Amino acid sequence: DQQVKQNSPSLSVQEGRISILNCDYTNSMFDYFLWYKKYPAEGPTFLISISSIKDKNEDGRFTVFLNKSAKHLSLHIVPSQPGDSAVYFCAASAGSNYQLIWGAGTKLIIKP
Amino acid sequence: NAGVTQTPKFQVLKTGQSMTLQCAQDMNHNSMYWYRQDPGMGLRLIYYSASEGTTDKGEVPNGYNVSRLNKREFSLRLESAAPSQTSVYFCASPSDRASSYEQYFGPGTRLTVT
Repeated sequence: DQQVKQNSPSLSVQEGRISILNCDYTNSMFDYFLWYKKYPAEGPTFLISISSIKDKNEDGRFTVFLNKSAKHLSLHIVPSQPGDSAVYFCAASAGSNYQLIWGAGTKLIIKP
Repeated sequence: NAGVTQTPKFQVLKTGQSMTLQCAQDMNHNSMYWYRQDPGMGLRLIYYSASEGTTDKGEVPNGYNVSRLNKREFSLRLESAAPSQTSVYFCASPSDRASSYEQYFGPGTRLTVT
């Protein structure tokens, strides 16, 4: 039973356009959400996060939106650049132990 | 400042062999985690150590043991490897900052069990 789902295994976007990566969750107790980026042969690196008390958080080209009623979050990258080609993981946490539940990842390919 | 380091990067084992994956962090964090990543699945927590001297089971602990040798080092041992343990293993160290959920990862160990 996957509590965090990323239903698109891959996504291809033209350079300069907007990339939108989606994530759905089932556990209403999740109160914090994170996006990580992973290049081949490297570990994941933190990208951006959002608390359940907010519905939007921005950091440069990256914006995360949270829709609690739909149990859905999305990561927007504008404009998309070749260096954004990577696997993006959505992760969520519930409670105070800061442990994360991870989605399966979406491979983003930015086409020149 | 290397962050989180892992050795080895690659390993091939035969069924029944044993090995230890090493992890070290130089960020002076209290917690350290071991995850495995399989195709089509998210990272799954194997074991974690909230502080030096303590270890606890995560979501998928069967077939593994861990040792928190000191604050810097956290090792993962496979006593009798099985093909189902073929995976990429990541060591991570969560930030100690209050209310921070950020975790810092090593580069991973790709393990194949034949």
